[in-house]
Amino acid sequence: DTGVSQNPRHKITKRGQNVTFRCDPISEHNRLYWYRQTLGQGPEFLTYFQNEAQLEKSRLLSDRFSAERPKGSFSTLEIQRTEQGDSAMYLCASSLDGVGFEQYFGPGTRLTVT
Amino acid sequence: KNEVEQSPQNLTAQEGEFITINCSYSVGISALHWLQQHPGGGIVSLFMLSSGKKKHGRLIATINIQEKHSSLHITASHPRDSAVYICAVPSGGSQGNLIFGKGTKLSVKP
Repeated sequence: DTGVSQNPRHKITKRGQNVTFRCDPISEHNRLYWYRQTLGQGPEFLTYFQNEAQLEKSRLLSDRFSAERPKGSFSTLEIQRTEQGDSAMYLCASSLDGVGFEQYFGPGTRLTVT
Repeated sequence: KNEVEQSPQNLTAQEGEFITINCSYSVGISALHWLQQHPGGGIVSLFMLSSGKKKHGRLIATINIQEKHSSLHITASHPRDSAVYICAVPSGGSQGNLIFGKGTKLSVKP
C-alpha cells in the first residue's frame, strides 16, 4: 500500500465556485479524518468517518461543506460557494478503528480562493 | 476540551546543536503524538507515546503524564531536520480526532 493519497494537490478557484477534494485512505483503515490547516496554525478537526458513517462534525464545518465516504473507502470533501476564508490546506488522515491508533496523513490539498 | 501549547514557536539552530521542543496539554490523555511537517504540507508521524521515552535515530520523545508535558529532542541537528514539529493529543471521547499545537518551526543552519 502506498499510504494516504489526496487529489488534487493544489486548487485555485474563484470565490463563489464549488470545489471537491478526494482522499484515498490506507485500504484496511476504517477511520478517515478531515482536517483544515491555515497558515501558521496547527490543523483543526473538521469531520470523521468510521467506515461509511460520518460520526462527528466540527462546528467549523459550515453548511457549505459536505463530506461523504460512500463505500467506506475513499472520501470526498465538497465546498460550495467558496469564500476567501476557505483558503487553507485540507488534510486527510486514516487509522485503524478505535482511539489511540496512529493516524497516517495524506499530502494535503492546498486551496486558494481568489 | 484539551488545549495544547507548544514552545518555542520558532527556533533557529546551528548544525550539530541539541534541540528541545516542548508541549503542554490541559487534560489527561491516552497518548501524545509528535508529527513533522515539511514545506509543501505533508505530515509524518514521528512518535506516539503514552509514557516514558521513545527513541528513533537522533530523535527522542519523552512524556510526563503527571505534569502533562512532553518534549521532543533532536541530537546532532542537521539542516534536513528543518521543518515544523507539531504536538497533538486526542480530543477525548470515542471519535479519536486529534487536537494540535500550533507547531514549532525549526531552522537548522549549516
